[in-house]
Amino acid sequence: GEDVEQSLFLSVREGDSSVINCTYTDSSSTYLYWYKQEPGAGLQLLTYIFSNMDMKQDQRLTVLLNKKDKHLSLRIADTQTGDSAIYFCAESPGNTGKLIFGQGTTLQVKP
Amino acid sequence: DSGVTQTPKHLITATGQRVTLRCSPRSGDLSVYWYQQSLDQGLQFLIQYYNGEERAKGNILERFSAQQFPDLHSELNLSSLELGDSALYFCASSVGGLPNNEQFFGPGTRLTVL
Repeated sequence: GEDVEQSLFLSVREGDSSVINCTYTDSSSTYLYWYKQEPGAGLQLLTYIFSNMDMKQDQRLTVLLNKKDKHLSLRIADTQTGDSAIYFCAESPGNTGKLIFGQGTTLQVKP
Repeated sequence: DSGVTQTPKHLITATGQRVTLRCSPRSGDLSVYWYQQSLDQGLQFLIQYYNGEERAKGNILERFSAQQFPDLHSELNLSSLELGDSALYFCASSVGGLPNNEQFFGPGTRLTVL
């Protein structure tokens, strides 16, 4: 089946690292994604990882993928107040490009 | 600005009515996706079109229908509206219709059914 699970809320202090976790079910997904949604805005692709990779780093963002456990994480280094948003994990099963999203994790960054 | 436009921004209507949401994809993008975001269901994939043809279908109700026109814009039609249809409806577009093609999201249409 197609299901993506995330924790709903994370609170960190400015300057700390944030780690948002996600589990997915469909092993046919060749890409896994992290999207960001700021209040009143649409979704913005932050980063993605190809399923045959373990890790991808992109400036302050690090994505880790454990394919065996179907576990994905997003680490944001030196978290800033501007990083406060909802973060969605998504998988794309099959070859159509449709995205199956998790419930979203609200990241609160305290100054 | 993602380059994807959606109209209207807000829509308030009554139960039993019918509405049409419109999406214009980014220039050059052939694929359009529709998603629904609600408090109950989260962010759900509804339907995908590629170059005028339906490509994939998600949890789209029979009361809902969509199409992509020759100029590549898309419309989502919602009929016999119920209170539970109140949600934010997003359109996204991508150059192709494959998982490795980044989807660019529009700002959404907020539908309120009273």
